[in-house]
Amino acid sequence: QKEVEQNSGPLSVPEGAIASLNCTYSDRVSQSFFWYRQYSGKSPELIMSIYSNGDKEDGRFTAQLNKASQYVSLLIRDSQPSDSATYLCAVNGYSSASKIIFGSGTRLSIRP
Amino acid sequence: ETGVTQTPRHLVMGMTNKKSLKCEQHLGHNAMYWYKQSAKKPLELMFVYNFKEQTENNSVPSRFSPECPNSSHLFLHLHTLQPEDSALYLCASSQDLGTGELFFGEGSRLTVL
Repeated sequence: QKEVEQNSGPLSVPEGAIASLNCTYSDRVSQSFFWYRQYSGKSPELIMSIYSNGDKEDGRFTAQLNKASQYVSLLIRDSQPSDSATYLCAVNGYSSASKIIFGSGTRLSIRP
Repeated sequence: ETGVTQTPRHLVMGMTNKKSLKCEQHLGHNAMYWYKQSAKKPLELMFVYNFKEQTENNSVPSRFSPECPNSSHLFLHLHTLQPEDSALYLCASSQDLGTGELFFGEGSRLTVL
């Protein structure tokens, strides 16, 4: 079982709609969760972090965490073509604080 | 300069060459990381340094040799690599070890012939 799993996509969403990206993780004691965005040919950049159950909103982005289900998601409201990128889920395990494990990413395409 | 800078951005080397990748962070962070990114695979953690001391070696082959002379600089020395080592090598830093809030450099694209 992969430590952090994501659907590779591509996920195609019409402009203005809500894009929903999902991630599951295997380490039950994971404490910190992150979403990174990576444009083609560029390096990842952090867009959201979440540490406790529930929702965290930042502009058009909402991260949702459910530790009981070992599930974290990212919602992008009013999707724009500039949101087209690969979104990486990352998890920081309690068992090794220095290990930040990434999923393989979901490629998101916003169609005009 | 600001952020995390990596040099060279592109590198082509033969299997018998010795080369080095350099990373420098201007953020005052205490932890630095090397990740490998191959096509269609997750980012693979290679090495972690905290206050220039290595805290993690993720079973990386010895043909990759890291060096961290201080908290701002990180090197990856390469020797007798294999074609399957061709990948994007990303350096990252964080304020403290394991915060998860990583700042990445633009990467060094390595091709091994």
